[in-house]
Amino acid sequence: DSGVTQTPKHLITATGQRVTLRCSPRSGDLSVYWYQQSLDQGLQFLIQYYNGEERAKGNILERFSAQQFPDLHSELNLSSLELGDSALYFCASSVGTPNTQYFGPGTRLTVL
Amino acid sequence: KNEVEQSPQNLTAQEGEFITINCSYSVGISALHWLQQHPGGGIVSLFMLSSGKKKHGRLIATINIQEKHSSLHITASHPRDSAVYICAVSWVSGGGADGLTFGKGTHLIIQP
Repeated sequence: DSGVTQTPKHLITATGQRVTLRCSPRSGDLSVYWYQQSLDQGLQFLIQYYNGEERAKGNILERFSAQQFPDLHSELNLSSLELGDSALYFCASSVGTPNTQYFGPGTRLTVL
Repeated sequence: KNEVEQSPQNLTAQEGEFITINCSYSVGISALHWLQQHPGGGIVSLFMLSSGKKKHGRLIATINIQEKHSSLHITASHPRDSAVYICAVSWVSGGGADGLTFGKGTHLIIQP
Protein backbone atom coordinates (compact mmCIF):
# COMPACT_ATOMS: atom_id res chain seq x y z
CA ASP A 1 0.00 0.00 0.00
CA SER A 2 1.62 3.24 -1.21
CA GLY A 3 -0.52 5.49 1.00
CA VAL A 4 -1.99 7.24 -2.05
CA THR A 5 -5.73 6.71 -2.47
CA GLN A 6 -7.81 7.14 -5.58
CA THR A 7 -11.55 7.02 -6.05
CA PRO A 8 -13.44 5.57 -7.74
CA LYS A 9 -11.65 2.35 -8.74
CA HIS A 10 -13.80 1.88 -11.82
CA LEU A 11 -15.95 4.28 -13.77
CA ILE A 12 -18.13 3.49 -16.76
CA THR A 13 -19.76 6.35 -18.59
CA ALA A 14 -20.97 7.45 -22.00
CA THR A 15 -19.44 9.68 -24.66
CA GLY A 16 -20.04 13.36 -24.07
CA GLN A 17 -20.27 13.01 -20.31
CA ARG A 18 -18.11 14.59 -17.60
CA VAL A 19 -16.42 12.76 -14.71
CA THR A 20 -14.26 13.67 -11.73
CA LEU A 21 -11.44 11.49 -10.43
CA ARG A 22 -10.18 12.06 -6.92
CA CYS A 23 -6.75 11.54 -5.36
CA SER A 24 -5.51 11.82 -1.79
CA PRO A 25 -1.71 11.97 -1.54
CA ARG A 26 0.44 10.37 1.14
CA SER A 27 0.50 12.27 4.40
CA GLY A 28 3.09 15.04 4.13
CA ASP A 29 3.48 14.91 0.34
CA LEU A 30 3.05 18.28 -1.34
CA SER A 31 3.40 17.25 -5.00
CA VAL A 32 0.61 15.47 -6.87
CA TYR A 33 0.92 14.13 -10.41
CA TRP A 34 -1.70 12.77 -12.78
CA TYR A 35 -0.81 10.16 -15.42
CA GLN A 36 -2.82 8.39 -18.09
CA GLN A 37 -2.10 4.82 -19.24
CA SER A 38 -3.71 3.60 -22.44
CA LEU A 39 -2.97 0.64 -24.67
CA ASP A 40 -1.90 2.76 -27.64
CA GLN A 41 -0.08 5.63 -25.89
CA GLY A 42 1.37 3.87 -22.86
CA LEU A 43 1.97 5.97 -19.74
CA GLN A 44 1.79 9.74 -20.21
CA PHE A 45 2.23 12.63 -17.81
CA LEU A 46 -0.79 14.91 -17.64
CA ILE A 47 -0.21 17.54 -14.96
CA GLN A 48 1.64 18.28 -11.71
CA TYR A 49 0.59 20.35 -8.71
CA TYR A 50 2.75 21.46 -5.80
CA ASN A 51 1.13 22.76 -2.62
CA GLY A 52 -1.95 23.95 -4.46
CA GLU A 53 -0.20 25.53 -7.45
CA GLU A 54 0.07 24.11 -10.94
CA ARG A 55 3.73 23.33 -11.57
CA ALA A 56 3.91 21.55 -14.91
CA LYS A 57 1.68 20.46 -17.75
CA GLY A 58 2.25 17.47 -19.95
CA ASN A 59 0.01 15.98 -22.63
CA ILE A 60 -3.22 17.14 -21.00
CA LEU A 61 -6.11 17.82 -23.35
CA GLU A 62 -8.03 21.10 -23.12
CA ARG A 63 -11.13 19.06 -22.19
CA PHE A 64 -9.31 17.93 -19.04
CA SER A 65 -8.59 20.08 -16.00
CA ALA A 66 -7.28 19.51 -12.51
CA GLN A 67 -6.85 21.27 -9.22
CA GLN A 68 -5.24 20.70 -5.85
CA PHE A 69 -7.15 21.81 -2.79
CA PRO A 70 -5.86 23.34 0.47
CA ASP A 71 -5.99 19.90 2.15
CA LEU A 72 -3.71 18.73 -0.73
CA HIS A 73 -6.14 16.29 -2.28
CA SER A 74 -6.50 16.65 -6.03
CA GLU A 75 -9.23 16.17 -8.59
CA LEU A 76 -8.95 15.50 -12.30
CA ASN A 77 -11.98 16.58 -14.32
CA LEU A 78 -12.57 15.01 -17.73
CA SER A 79 -15.31 16.49 -19.89
CA SER A 80 -16.87 15.86 -23.31
CA LEU A 81 -15.59 12.33 -23.01
CA GLU A 82 -14.61 10.37 -26.11
CA LEU A 83 -14.05 6.66 -26.62
CA GLY A 84 -10.31 7.31 -26.76
CA ASP A 85 -10.32 8.66 -23.21
CA SER A 86 -10.85 5.11 -21.92
CA ALA A 87 -7.70 4.41 -19.90
CA LEU A 88 -6.22 3.88 -16.47
CA TYR A 89 -5.65 7.17 -14.67
CA PHE A 90 -2.99 7.17 -11.99
CA CYS A 91 -2.27 9.72 -9.36
CA ALA A 92 1.14 9.86 -7.71
CA SER A 93 2.56 11.95 -4.91
CA SER A 94 5.98 12.92 -3.63
CA VAL A 95 7.33 15.00 -0.78
CA GLY A 96 9.26 17.32 -3.12
CA THR A 97 11.14 17.37 -6.38
CA PRO A 98 12.93 15.36 -7.57
CA ASN A 99 11.87 12.57 -5.29
CA THR A 100 10.41 9.09 -5.33
CA GLN A 101 6.84 9.19 -6.64
CA TYR A 102 4.31 6.93 -4.94
CA PHE A 103 1.50 5.76 -7.19
CA GLY A 104 -2.12 5.22 -6.27
CA PRO A 105 -4.02 2.11 -7.42
CA GLY A 106 -5.52 3.95 -10.39
CA THR A 107 -9.02 4.63 -11.70
CA ARG A 108 -10.09 2.60 -14.71
CA LEU A 109 -12.29 4.74 -16.94
CA THR A 110 -14.38 3.12 -19.62
CA VAL A 111 -16.20 5.38 -22.07
CA LEU A 112 -18.96 3.63 -24.04
CA LYS B 1 11.87 15.32 -28.72
CA ASN B 2 12.91 14.00 -25.30
CA GLU B 3 12.75 10.22 -25.42
CA VAL B 4 13.26 7.17 -23.25
CA GLU B 5 14.17 3.88 -24.91
CA GLN B 6 14.01 0.51 -23.16
CA SER B 7 15.26 -2.90 -24.19
CA PRO B 8 14.35 -5.63 -24.50
CA GLN B 9 10.58 -5.19 -24.95
CA ASN B 10 9.95 -8.79 -23.91
CA LEU B 11 12.12 -11.17 -21.92
CA THR B 12 11.46 -14.76 -20.88
CA ALA B 13 13.99 -16.46 -18.60
CA GLN B 14 14.32 -19.45 -16.33
CA GLU B 15 14.15 -19.19 -12.57
CA GLY B 16 17.56 -18.35 -11.12
CA GLU B 17 18.87 -16.48 -14.14
CA PHE B 18 20.51 -13.05 -13.93
CA ILE B 19 18.29 -10.48 -15.65
CA THR B 20 19.34 -7.16 -17.19
CA ILE B 21 16.98 -4.50 -18.54
CA ASN B 22 18.41 -1.43 -20.25
CA CYS B 23 17.24 2.15 -20.54
CA SER B 24 18.67 5.06 -22.51
CA TYR B 25 17.51 8.65 -22.71
CA SER B 26 18.14 11.56 -25.00
CA VAL B 27 19.07 14.65 -22.95
CA GLY B 28 19.95 15.71 -19.41
CA ILE B 29 17.81 14.43 -16.57
CA SER B 30 17.29 15.36 -12.96
CA ALA B 31 16.44 11.77 -11.98
CA LEU B 32 15.74 8.31 -13.41
CA HIS B 33 13.11 6.00 -11.95
CA TRP B 34 12.61 2.26 -12.25
CA LEU B 35 9.03 1.15 -11.73
CA GLN B 36 7.32 -2.23 -11.57
CA GLN B 37 3.79 -2.92 -12.76
CA HIS B 38 2.05 -6.23 -12.09
CA PRO B 39 -0.94 -7.57 -14.00
CA GLY B 40 -3.89 -5.86 -12.36
CA GLY B 41 -2.21 -2.52 -12.87
CA GLY B 42 -0.59 -1.25 -9.66
CA ILE B 43 2.69 0.66 -10.11
CA VAL B 44 5.44 0.39 -7.53
CA SER B 45 8.54 2.57 -7.43
CA LEU B 46 11.68 0.43 -7.20
CA PHE B 47 14.46 3.02 -7.45
CA MET B 48 15.12 6.67 -8.04
CA LEU B 49 18.66 7.44 -9.24
CA SER B 50 20.56 10.54 -10.18
CA SER B 51 24.03 8.95 -10.10
CA GLY B 52 25.89 5.74 -9.29
CA LYS B 53 24.25 2.55 -8.12
CA LYS B 54 21.52 1.43 -5.72
CA LYS B 55 20.71 -2.04 -4.38
CA HIS B 56 17.59 -3.37 -2.72
CA GLY B 57 17.46 -7.08 -2.04
CA ARG B 58 17.99 -8.90 -5.35
CA LEU B 59 17.51 -5.74 -7.40
CA ILE B 60 20.36 -3.48 -8.50
CA ALA B 61 20.04 -0.28 -10.51
CA THR B 62 22.92 1.60 -12.09
CA ILE B 63 23.16 4.82 -14.05
CA ASN B 64 25.89 6.30 -16.25
CA ILE B 65 25.15 9.99 -16.67
CA GLN B 66 27.78 10.54 -19.37
CA GLU B 67 26.46 7.64 -21.47
CA LYS B 68 22.80 8.59 -20.70
CA HIS B 69 22.13 4.96 -19.83
CA SER B 70 20.75 2.97 -16.91
CA SER B 71 20.39 -0.74 -16.20
CA LEU B 72 18.17 -2.70 -13.86
CA HIS B 73 19.51 -6.08 -12.78
CA ILE B 74 17.67 -8.89 -11.02
CA THR B 75 19.82 -11.57 -9.42
CA ALA B 76 18.54 -15.10 -8.74
CA SER B 77 15.29 -14.35 -10.58
CA HIS B 78 12.06 -15.88 -9.33
CA PRO B 79 8.61 -16.36 -10.91
CA ARG B 80 7.24 -13.64 -8.60
CA ASP B 81 9.54 -11.17 -10.41
CA SER B 82 7.34 -11.57 -13.49
CA ALA B 83 5.97 -8.10 -14.22
CA VAL B 84 6.41 -5.11 -16.49
CA TYR B 85 9.46 -3.01 -15.61
CA ILE B 86 9.30 0.62 -16.66
CA CYS B 87 12.08 3.17 -16.90
CA ALA B 88 11.01 6.79 -16.46
CA VAL B 89 12.88 10.09 -16.27
CA SER B 90 12.30 13.61 -15.10
CA TRP B 91 14.04 16.08 -17.39
CA VAL B 92 16.21 18.95 -16.21
CA SER B 93 13.90 21.96 -15.95
CA GLY B 94 13.41 24.99 -13.77
CA GLY B 95 10.82 25.45 -11.08
CA GLY B 96 10.65 21.93 -9.71
CA ALA B 97 8.66 20.47 -12.61
CA ASP B 98 9.30 16.74 -12.65
CA GLY B 99 6.48 14.92 -14.35
CA LEU B 100 7.85 11.65 -15.70
CA THR B 101 8.47 10.56 -19.28
CA PHE B 102 8.16 6.80 -19.56
CA GLY B 103 9.74 4.07 -21.64
CA LYS B 104 7.46 1.48 -23.21
CA GLY B 105 8.30 -1.08 -20.54
CA THR B 106 9.88 -4.54 -20.51
CA HIS B 107 7.55 -7.51 -20.10
CA LEU B 108 9.48 -10.02 -17.98
CA ILE B 109 8.36 -13.61 -17.50
CA ILE B 110 10.33 -15.91 -15.21
CA GLN B 111 9.50 -19.57 -15.73
CA PRO B 112 9.91 -22.10 -12.89
